[in-house]
Amino acid sequence: DAGVIQSPRHEVTEMGQEVTLRCKPISGHNSLFWYRQTMMRGLELLIYFNNNVPIDDSGMPEDRFSAKMPNASFSTLKIQPSEPRDSAVYFCASSLARGRGARRGREQYFGPGTRLTVT
Amino acid sequence: RKEVEQDPGPFNVPEGATVAFNCTYSNSASQSFFWYRQDCRKEPKLLMSVYSSGNEDGRFTAQLNRASQYISLLIRDSKLSDSATYLCVSTTDSWGKLQFGAGTQVVVTP
Repeated sequence: DAGVIQSPRHEVTEMGQEVTLRCKPISGHNSLFWYRQTMMRGLELLIYFNNNVPIDDSGMPEDRFSAKMPNASFSTLKIQPSEPRDSAVYFCASSLARGRGARRGREQYFGPGTRLTVT
Repeated sequence: RKEVEQDPGPFNVPEGATVAFNCTYSNSASQSFFWYRQDCRKEPKLLMSVYSSGNEDGRFTAQLNRASQYISLLIRDSKLSDSATYLCVSTTDSWGKLQFGAGTQVVVTP
């Protein structure tokens, strides 16, 4: 079975440029999560969607960051303009959320990540 | 204070030995718990869910103590391939939002 797919795997860009990261969740999953990981801050949740609708974007660091999920099989995370402090590994994860009270189906499956370097 | 706290380690473990470590969670409403492992420069991968009665998966045993709000992971007969960072995870969110700890590093030595 195909897992979560992310592209590109590596991105090197100059400060001020726009960066777009892409994610294809596992087919049938209804929740999608964007994370950022750095040595200093660990794994941080940026935003997550359920049924393509953003549920919580409180982790998005600032207005330079935006995320969309136009359909169930695709999401993008955009940084414009990028800054050196945005350098990190960005992970996308998906899960099958079964709604309030459900105990099963909350495991998240991560993509391989995009390693972003902003110079 | 982070919602999930872990000892960062490293725990240096001789091959074949047993290692155990805990994590604590602060939200008493947490419903589900997991252990993930993350290898260097790789994505986190689900290791196992943690059930109220405790559960085992091969050499791995997870326990949940709701009264003291901690979960534990025990690894028996450690293998070199067990070297990784182990992430403790809790959730209260119906839509699957997870709270990750910072991870416990385990290094298994020959």
